[in-house]
Amino acid sequence: GQQVQQSPASLVLQEGENAELQCNFSTSLNSMQWFYQRPGGSLVSLFYNPSGTKHSGRLTSTTVIKERRSSLHISSSQTTDSGTYLCAPYGSSGNKLIFGIGTLLSVKP
Amino acid sequence: EAAVTQSPRNKVAVTGGKVTLSCNQTNNHNNMYWYRQDTGHGLRLIHYSYGAGSTEKGDIPDGYKASRPSQENFSLILELATPSQTSVYFCASGINNQAPLFGEGTRLSVL
Repeated sequence: GQQVQQSPASLVLQEGENAELQCNFSTSLNSMQWFYQRPGGSLVSLFYNPSGTKHSGRLTSTTVIKERRSSLHISSSQTTDSGTYLCAPYGSSGNKLIFGIGTLLSVKP
Repeated sequence: EAAVTQSPRNKVAVTGGKVTLSCNQTNNHNNMYWYRQDTGHGLRLIHYSYGAGSTEKGDIPDGYKASRPSQENFSLILELATPSQTSVYFCASGINNQAPLFGEGTRLSVL
């Protein structure tokens, strides 16, 4: 079965609302990574998070290794946050980086 | 500045033809990766490499070969391109315990 599952698959918000994105994985890992992908664009690393909670501006990543889950919280969303958010557990099989399908976020003005 | 450069950015190929996608990184990273991204599947790992001279199969290697002639360069080769290989391909480079850097992607259409 799929090793990495992300939810929700898509999400529509009004500007200013908060979002909580989930990532669950079935493999063991050393850390969790979160990426942002602009429509039709490349991937940008948001967090490299071995465990615990990390903050970056309006973004917060929380990873619980033992429970094999991670979440990405976006506060006070902006239209420029629109895009796809991907999680990828790292270190489960050598140096392979396996991705979830992603959450497509759309923030309306 | 750290960078991963893919070429070409866009490619149209004919069925049965040979296609080579190139990736160059100036980051001195040991690890390099090739992914394809399709709607409904996300990013899937095709081949990866731990360093010059090494290539490893990812999750969907069938129909693809890879070559890592140097630390900087990692190529993806489609010997006999098929329409099912129409996709967007991403190259990435990285080292252990750090987030990898991604290229801008190559959009390949096989007609």
